[in-house]
Amino acid sequence: DGGITQSPKYLFRKEGQNVTLSCEQNLNHDAMYWYRQDPGQGLRLIYYSQIVNDFQKGDIAEGYSVSREKKESFPLTVTSAQKNPTAFYLCASTDTEQETQYFGPGTRLLVL
Amino acid sequence: SQQGEEDPQALSIQEGENATMNCSYKTSINNLQWYRQNSGRGLVHLILIRSNEREKHSGRLRVTLDTSKKSSSLLITASRAADTASYFCATDAWDYKLSFGAGTTVTVRA
Repeated sequence: DGGITQSPKYLFRKEGQNVTLSCEQNLNHDAMYWYRQDPGQGLRLIYYSQIVNDFQKGDIAEGYSVSREKKESFPLTVTSAQKNPTAFYLCASTDTEQETQYFGPGTRLLVL
Repeated sequence: SQQGEEDPQALSIQEGENATMNCSYKTSINNLQWYRQNSGRGLVHLILIRSNEREKHSGRLRVTLDTSKKSSSLLITASRAADTASYFCATDAWDYKLSFGAGTTVTVRA
């Protein structure tokens, strides 16, 4: 089955802790994206990567970091500098020829 | 930045009725896309309309685009309970980044 997987489904963060959200795709897509969604709001772009070993900041990158060492994987780290991390995090990828984005099921991050 | 803004924020309709939601945006676009999100899940792509197109159909979905007014509408005909979801418009300004609106929450009553 082709698609995007995100893990874990729920993640709990203690104050001052860094946590990493996983995103893996087997769609052979070049571009990958991380979004944050707060209740009742749309998606805001955190980081995106058009190609391996390259990534760009989105609209709300502060307090987050990413890496893109493999085409299939685009992990997001929520650092202790992100003071309000509670949100629903969505990963997506796109085949640039099709232009549409395919989304994972999301990870809900909660603060203890 | 969130370029798209949907209207209304919420919509409640009876099964079998049509649902219409609108999206306005601010800058020139390459294409506009509509996505659906069921509660607590990821988004699913519904339909894409390019800037040189005015109307597009896909099953029970009809999308229009008016670039002079920078607006789009999504019509869902003969709604079903399974259409209950949030619907988002997203604009692509030639850079393969999508800007999403805040969404319209649609509830279809049996």
